[in-house]
Amino acid sequence: NAGVTQTPKFRILKIGQSMTLQCTQDMNHNYMYWYRQDPGMGLKLIYYSVGAGITDKGEVPNGYNVSRSTTEDFPLRLELAAPSQTSVYFCASKGTGELFFGEGSRLTVL
Amino acid sequence: GEDVEQSLFLSVREGDSSVINCTYTDSSSTYLYWYKQEPGAGLQLLTYIFSNMDMKQDQRLTVLLNKKDKHLSLRIADTQTGDSAIYFCAERKDTGFQKLVFGTGTRLLVSP
Repeated sequence: NAGVTQTPKFRILKIGQSMTLQCTQDMNHNYMYWYRQDPGMGLKLIYYSVGAGITDKGEVPNGYNVSRSTTEDFPLRLELAAPSQTSVYFCASKGTGELFFGEGSRLTVL
Repeated sequence: GEDVEQSLFLSVREGDSSVINCTYTDSSSTYLYWYKQEPGAGLQLLTYIFSNMDMKQDQRLTVLLNKKDKHLSLRIADTQTGDSAIYFCAERKDTGFQKLVFGTGTRLLVSP
């Protein structure tokens, strides 16, 4: 089973560039989440979705956008990259049980 | 506030017990979790405890819950070098979308 797959694993962006972090899950989970992880700060929720066509803001949504056109995919878009968005990004999905995480995408904005 | 708090670092010798502590925020949280993150990887669920329990044991892992003090701990018996990782506690807030709030993470270093 693939579980939760994130791409790319690593990316370096220049300030002002845009990009999309891809996330897909093959477990038919309704709930999907994007977190960012900064050293000593734990995980902060950026956006979440409770099903296809439904998304909502988490704790730190500024500078990001998401869409959920299918159950499987939950891409995270950065429109104008800023150094403050340098972080490790984790996508997660949940059915009725535990939360499953992807392996993370390390983004550096220079 | 919203913060789930953990100490940042713990160092133990192989074979000793490790105890990782966590203070959470919401006395109505229904589930409390422990996740493990190895270098370069995502988080994996280690164990969880339902809020009406005081203790849960799972092989080398023992979870203790003190609801009155909102304190959660994870004890790892006979700690091995392979246990070196970052450990996150998380509380589940049963808002409409089952939000998990994570602690800051405790980096466990096990030396031979």
